Amino acid sequence: QKEVEQNSGPLSVPEGAIASLNCTYSDRGSQSFFWYRQYSGKSPELIMSIYSNGDKEDGRFTAQLNKASQYVSLLIRDSQPSDSATYLCAVDEYGQNFVFGPGTRLSVLP
Amino acid sequence: EAGVAQSPRYKIIEKRQSVAFWCNPISGHATLYWYQQILGQGPKLLIQFQNNGVVDDSQLPKDRFSAERLKGVDSTLKIQPAKLEDSAVYLCASSLGRGGTGELFFGEGSRLTVL
Repeated sequence: QKEVEQNSGPLSVPEGAIASLNCTYSDRGSQSFFWYRQYSGKSPELIMSIYSNGDKEDGRFTAQLNKASQYVSLLIRDSQPSDSATYLCAVDEYGQNFVFGPGTRLSVLP
Repeated sequence: EAGVAQSPRYKIIEKRQSVAFWCNPISGHATLYWYQQILGQGPKLLIQFQNNGVVDDSQLPKDRFSAERLKGVDSTLKIQPAKLEDSAVYLCASSLGRGGTGELFFGEGSRLTVL
């Protein structure tokens, strides 16, 4: 199975700061990239998807993709305590299924 | 729209016992996934169905795990006999299109504790 790696956490940022979450993947053929948020004891929920190189913005969230470097990131601007969760990077494998990274736990401190 | 339904939510068994989990995906979703999520790790794919056919079961420990999706709708995942290392949350997810595309919708998960 292909590898998806994420920066090890936990990541702590003060309220109002920018949180930066990183993900690298091994399959050069991957075309679909997703960020899921998982609150403690809950199931993952999709927050962003990105398919093309560059930036994609949705509210306080920006996903960045660089296929040449096999790198995808998620920026959270104006971080809020409610953003405290584990963020999972998911990458498609052969266009057939998804491989998830180990997750990065984010804590936003009031 | 109803979400992905899973049951039971919690199950505690002793090692070498058996357990079964049930999942009903969102209506009309062709692809169904079973993931295993061990505490502190990301979800790991166990098996993927496209309608009622298996697309990928390469990481399913077939000596003890089995899964079926009858009539291309709901699915059952069984573990027999269970081992201590099977303690995890078993997540069922579905997607509208074929695997590897589009959003995954997850159920609430079934938390298994093996003593």
